[in-house]
Amino acid sequence: DTAVSQTPKYLVTQMGNDKSIKCEQNLGHDTMYWYKQDSKKFLKIMFSYNNKELIINETVPNRFSPKSPDKAHLNLHINSLELGDSAVYFCASSQHGQGGNTEAFFGQGTRLTVV
Amino acid sequence: AQSVSQHNHHVILSEAASLELGCNYSYGGTVNLFWYVQYPGQHLQLLLKYFSGDPLVKGIKGFEAEFIKSKFSFNLRKPSVQWSDTAEYFCAVINAGGYQKVTFGIGTKLQVIP
Repeated sequence: DTAVSQTPKYLVTQMGNDKSIKCEQNLGHDTMYWYKQDSKKFLKIMFSYNNKELIINETVPNRFSPKSPDKAHLNLHINSLELGDSAVYFCASSQHGQGGNTEAFFGQGTRLTVV
Repeated sequence: AQSVSQHNHHVILSEAASLELGCNYSYGGTVNLFWYVQYPGQHLQLLLKYFSGDPLVKGIKGFEAEFIKSKFSFNLRKPSVQWSDTAEYFCAVINAGGYQKVTFGIGTKLQVIP
């Protein structure tokens, strides 16, 4: 069973469209994240949710709106897609407060291409 | 704020050569340290991790890393690389207290020539 799963794996869409990427984790973790990996492979955190509450929002355009319906899901909705949004988006999860032994588990990534 | 520096951005080695990738982090508190590998077109995979205890940690595929607290370093090593080790390698830290986030280094592209 996949611990952190994202759908879709690939997404090609036109500029100006609105799209969503879904993420689910079955690890029972209370914290979930979205990361963006650009064309230079740099991984940058976008958002983090803990128990459905937004705790990290790293200067991401308002066109990006995360939604966490429950602890196990963190979806990413993107409005008015731009060429610069083309990237690989990774979802991850971890468990807060494990006495220091904290590890993040990553999904397989969603490769978004805006044309 | 925590940060991670990887000094080698692109490394080219011949098969059987030894590998050492540098990683330094900046954070005042307790951290957990990781190395991830990303093979071409694939997702992130955990190579190894350090939480506490023995500062020399062994991971998968013959990789190891040494945590040197005084130097804020967590360098990755492998005695003899293979062509299949060609990939992007990311050092990462997560702060052990408070609300954690994983901070990645910029990555090192390793190219192994047969």
